[in-house]
Amino acid sequence: GDSVTQMEGPVTLSEEAFLTINCTYTATGYPSLFWYVQYPGEGLQLLLKATKADDKGSNKGFEATYRKETTSFHLEKGSVQVSDSAVYFCALRRMDSSYKLIFGSGTRLLVRP
Amino acid sequence: DGGITQSPKYLFRKEGQNVTLSCEQNLNHDAMYWYRQDPGQGLRLIYYSQIVNDFQKGDIAEGYSVSREKKESFPLTVTSAQKNPTAFYLCASSLSSEAFFGQGTRLTVV
Repeated sequence: GDSVTQMEGPVTLSEEAFLTINCTYTATGYPSLFWYVQYPGEGLQLLLKATKADDKGSNKGFEATYRKETTSFHLEKGSVQVSDSAVYFCALRRMDSSYKLIFGSGTRLLVRP
Repeated sequence: DGGITQSPKYLFRKEGQNVTLSCEQNLNHDAMYWYRQDPGQGLRLIYYSQIVNDFQKGDIAEGYSVSREKKESFPLTVTSAQKNPTAFYLCASSLSSEAFFGQGTRLTVV
């Protein structure tokens, strides 16, 4: 079945460091891919998305490129801030009639001043 | 304002009792979802619905039930058959692409 695999956390970085959180997926067809962020005690917020191969999603300095050849959607940011500390979830949605939305296990990011 | 609302934010239940979590959206979205999140864990899909009066089981549907009588509403009932119901429950809705989430309901069995 469809699945999303993320690197395990926590990821601990110093402020202004470069961030990469790996995400790979398994799916039939051509899913849409998403990164969501969750702050403590809250729901998830959409961070960025890509709907077809080679698309690059970007928002708030974060980027991810839809790589069909490697079935990956890695999240990157050039210079992290303390306020980026949160849990990040990679997700896919099949664009067939099922509308099923599947998440990875999440990666906790801790940014130290 | 448009959005998705879950209530209550915190809920306590005695063992053996059923409890219903509310999820309402005014975004005119067709699809709605319920997820369960345990501490330090990812999101596991309980049920989802693509249209009114239709819903499908997710990966962990046992011990839960849902209804979709109106487009705006997708309540989740946690029944006494759910062995370990203490968790954070998230509802989401979607039109064609990304999903929008509520703020969640934290259910604790006492």
